[in-house]
Amino acid sequence: DQQVKQNSPSLSVQEGRISILNCDYTNSMFDYFLWYKKYPAEGPTFLISISSIKDKNEDGRFTVFLNKSAKHLSLHIVPSQPGDSAVYFCAASNSGNTPLVFGKGTRLSVIA
Amino acid sequence: DADVTQTPRNRITKTGKRIMLECSQTKGHDRMYWYRQDPGLGLRLIYYSFDVKDINKGEISDGYSVSRQAQAKFSLSLESAIPNQTALYFCATSDAVQLQETQYFGPGTRLLVL
Repeated sequence: DQQVKQNSPSLSVQEGRISILNCDYTNSMFDYFLWYKKYPAEGPTFLISISSIKDKNEDGRFTVFLNKSAKHLSLHIVPSQPGDSAVYFCAASNSGNTPLVFGKGTRLSVIA
Repeated sequence: DADVTQTPRNRITKTGKRIMLECSQTKGHDRMYWYRQDPGLGLRLIYYSFDVKDINKGEISDGYSVSRQAQAKFSLSLESAIPNQTALYFCATSDAVQLQETQYFGPGTRLLVL
């Protein structure tokens, strides 16, 4: 049973527009959420995170929003750039008591 | 130099062979993990270790074994490789001091089992 779900396997966005990647979770014990970015032939790299005590965290062009009541988080990339084309993984944890649980990923293509 | 290294980066082997994938880290982290990535299935946890004396099964441990030789080293073995173990394998580390952990990944090993 998937605890972290990324229901969109792929997303295409025009350069300069906003990219919105979505993630849903089922385990109410999760209190820390992360987004990872993965290029082909490389390992995933940490992008941004959010604690359950917040509903928004921003880092440059990247913003993560958390809606605890809906058990939903999203990653916004504004403006999108061709270099953002990658697979994005959503992950969640329970304050370090258990390993991160990953979603299946969303492949983002930013078209110039 | 990379903080998390994996060897080999690519490996082709035959069904039934025993192979070992190695992971080393210079981050000083206590926790280490092995994942595999398959198309459409994301990252699935094979084994993890929270310290040198701790080994835990993950979601898909069947057919695999691990050894935590030191804080910095965590190896994954396929005792008798089979074709459906063809995948990308990633090692990761995290710092046990922080309750809200970030995992750091190695570059991956691409394994092909014929």
